Amino acid sequence: EAQVTQNPRYLITVTGKKLTVTCSQNMNHEYMSWYRQDPGLGLRQIYYSMNVEVTDKGDVPEGYKVSRKEKRNFPLILESPSPNQTSLYFCASSPSRPGNIQYFGAGTRLSVL
Amino acid sequence: AQSVTQPDIHITVSEGASLELRCNYSYGATPYLFWYVQSPGQGLQLLLKYFSGDTLVQGIKGFEAEFKRSQSSFNLRKPSVHWSDAAEYFCAVGAQNTDKLIFGTGTRLQVFP
Repeated sequence: EAQVTQNPRYLITVTGKKLTVTCSQNMNHEYMSWYRQDPGLGLRQIYYSMNVEVTDKGDVPEGYKVSRKEKRNFPLILESPSPNQTSLYFCASSPSRPGNIQYFGAGTRLSVL
Repeated sequence: AQSVTQPDIHITVSEGASLELRCNYSYGATPYLFWYVQSPGQGLQLLLKYFSGDTLVQGIKGFEAEFKRSQSSFNLRKPSVHWSDAAEYFCAVGAQNTDKLIFGTGTRLQVFP
């Protein structure tokens, strides 16, 4: 089954404790992206990757890191999480340029205390 | 600047009533237009898309949308709403050679029996 898998689905952590949210897709898509969803703000792009070893900032990259060492994986790293990063995070992938259809993971709800 | 506006934050309808969710966009290039649905606790699922051709597009779950270039709109419609349609709906715009998909802030649909 074609899918984008995020882990964990729920995470509660404390300020400053490094964490990683994993994202994996099994569709051989070139493009992957991370979004955060906040009430009243819709989805805002954090980082995206056009291919292996190619990443770029989205609209709200501060406080986040990503890597793309393999085509299928695109982890989101919070080196020192802060309470303002409490949010719902989505990973997405697309077969080619992202202005096209994107396929979303189920989301990761993060709370930073 | 490129943008997507969903003027209605929250809409309530009775089951069996017709539905129209509004979406207006501002985009310099020929747009690709999408509607996604997010059920509670779920990721985003593509309802329908417009790339070119017939301006009335059919999607899943009985939804349709009409692209009106003169009004910069891509409104989502359904003739008879079911209780299971209660969800949040996102309009998004992209283009063939762009690096991102721009999302609206979403419309939450509530359905009363």
